[in-house]
Amino acid sequence: EAGVVQSPRYKIIEKKQPVAFWCNPISGHNTLYWYLQNLGQGPELLIRYENEEAVDDSQLPKDRFSAERLKGVDSTLKIQPAELGDSAVYLCASSPAPGREQFFGPGTRLTVL
Amino acid sequence: GEDVEQSLFLSVREGDSSVINCTYTDSSSTYLYWYKQEPGAGLQLLTYIFSNMDMKQDQRLTVLLNKKDKHLSLRIADTQTGDSAIYFCAESMDSSYKLIFGSGTRLLVRP
Repeated sequence: EAGVVQSPRYKIIEKKQPVAFWCNPISGHNTLYWYLQNLGQGPELLIRYENEEAVDDSQLPKDRFSAERLKGVDSTLKIQPAELGDSAVYLCASSPAPGREQFFGPGTRLTVL
Repeated sequence: GEDVEQSLFLSVREGDSSVINCTYTDSSSTYLYWYKQEPGAGLQLLTYIFSNMDMKQDQRLTVLLNKKDKHLSLRIADTQTGDSAIYFCAESMDSSYKLIFGSGTRLLVRP
């Protein structure tokens, strides 16, 4: 069974540029999460989807971050404009249902210059 | 509040047992997890324990939960060089289903 797929794996951009990350969850997993992992720290939740509905986006900085999961499968996380402090690893995870174990993708490492 | 704490670093000799400790603050946590992260990779789910259990064993891994002290540990028997990685403890919040992670313990296995 394929795991969570993310692309790109690495992205380098200049500040003020837009950037987008893509995630394809494990087949059949209705719950999808985006996490942010800063260097030397554990991941922190940005947003959680149940199917196509964002049910917890309280930690998402909505002035510059947006996310969508239009058909309840793939998801895209966008930053516009990017700031230097956004340099981090962006992880996508999925689970078969809320409260069940979460499986993580390899992440996208973003560097903002 | 929500907080998970781990020691930063552990060094063991190959073949010895490793014990990684974690403390958490929210007594309403339903599940507690251990994840492994190798350099440049995502988080790999190793094992988890339900809050009404006090021990779970899975091959070389043993998880102990002391709910009274809010203390979780992961024991790796016969530690191998391939076990060198960062290990994250996480608690699952029943109300929000999000995972609260510690900062990770870097395990170094010396030959």
